Amino acid sequence: DVKVTQSSRYLVKRTGEKVFLECVQDMDHENMFWYRQDPGLGLRLIYFSYDVKMKEKGDIPEGYSVSREKKERFSLILESASTNQTSMYLCASSTEDFKLGVPNTGELFFGEGSRLTVL
Amino acid sequence: AQKVTQAQTEISVVEKEDVTLDCVYETRDTTYYLFWYKQPPSGELVFLIRRNSFDEQNEISGRYSWNFQKSTSSFNFTITASQVVDSAVYFCALSGLNNNDMRFGAGTRLTVKP
Repeated sequence: DVKVTQSSRYLVKRTGEKVFLECVQDMDHENMFWYRQDPGLGLRLIYFSYDVKMKEKGDIPEGYSVSREKKERFSLILESASTNQTSMYLCASSTEDFKLGVPNTGELFFGEGSRLTVL
Repeated sequence: AQKVTQAQTEISVVEKEDVTLDCVYETRDTTYYLFWYKQPPSGELVFLIRRNSFDEQNEISGRYSWNFQKSTSSFNFTITASQVVDSAVYFCALSGLNNNDMRFGAGTRLTVKP
């Protein structure tokens, strides 16, 4: 069974704290993503990674950084949390199409989400 | 950059009505993929469909159908004879080759009333 695991379901942090959100996938996927979901704004892409040590900015990277030292793990870091970063954070992974013998719908597999509250 | 617009924020219909959810996209890529996902009240995102940019054939799956029109950069989703269980937020999404750089629209909240 495919699985994307996010380390914390609920976090409460104070303004200025450093926050780490961890995500691990067990499907050997090349692509990993961090989104935040806010009411009325849908899922907004923060960062994605298509390979180890590779990262690309999404639409709202400000105030965030990421780390991908191993293929299965993609971490989101808030260097100095602020109240406007209170949100639901979703990690996802997907694989590339062009793997021989691997049928692929291109589907993103999501974790359960991490609800972060910054006070 | 990729962009997806779902202009309908909320739609409310009565059971058995047909409903169409609109999706318009922007991309400079010549090869890309379009997706629809469903997010029911339980919260998890459910994959519904992927189409690639070379395949404009419409698709039907049970009560669901999708109309892809490259000329208008649209990928609309129709639910026929809607049911209460169709109530959810529906997201349209766009990705580049290799399924990375995936952008979602803001979502359309569909409420189907009995």
